[in-house]
Amino acid sequence: ETVLTQSPATLSLSPGERATLSCRASENVEIYLAWYQQKSGQAPRLLIYDTSNRATGVPARFSGSGSGTDFTLTISSLEPEDFAMYYCQQRKHWPPLTFGGGTRVEVK
Amino acid sequence: EVQLVESGGDVVQPGGSLRLSCVASGFTFSNYEMNWVRQAPGKGPEWVSYITKSGDATYYADSVRGRFTMSRDNGKNSLYLQMNSLTVEDTAVYYCARDPHAGSRFDQWGQGTLVTVSS
Repeated sequence: ETVLTQSPATLSLSPGERATLSCRASENVEIYLAWYQQKSGQAPRLLIYDTSNRATGVPARFSGSGSGTDFTLTISSLEPEDFAMYYCQQRKHWPPLTFGGGTRVEVK
Repeated sequence: EVQLVESGGDVVQPGGSLRLSCVASGFTFSNYEMNWVRQAPGKGPEWVSYITKSGDATYYADSVRGRFTMSRDNGKNSLYLQMNSLTVEDTAVYYCARDPHAGSRFDQWGQGTLVTVSS
């Protein structure tokens, strides 16, 4: 199965700063990578699909890039509501659909 | 408004069985593939199973294949997960999640239902 490795595990930043989250795949997933945000006690929420497409209602400060095995989620300027867990997920090689281990974005 | 509402979670002993349900509203249920995704305490999400729009095909994670059975009733806008031979490793919040294109992504999620396997 395709293993997704996210880094860093924790990102400590202040509101207004830029966040850069990484997701590395164990094999080529082309552009078929999605990102989710999860807040405590809530279900994950789809942010980005197929590397760079924002889901409905997702603010423009969220952007995705990459291809093949290396992907990035960028939050251009952190808002208070952006402090959460973030997961990547691939769909190129399925089943199974696989998720990364997550990056926690916390307030510095 | 799209809504997915899971139910059926409970505390069950190892080796026991449980049936989860998910009722959909706010969209044409029969037009979408669906999935179950679970999340163990303090862990990331784990895909569990997938079903086609008509219910004629299903896929499962290796960890549950042979023990879990996913089904749907489009007339009732409902999704099901029959879980047998439960182990402590199955303890998790179980989410139903909508799939806009076969095996692609999860664009809508329910609030989840907690399954605890414990003696």
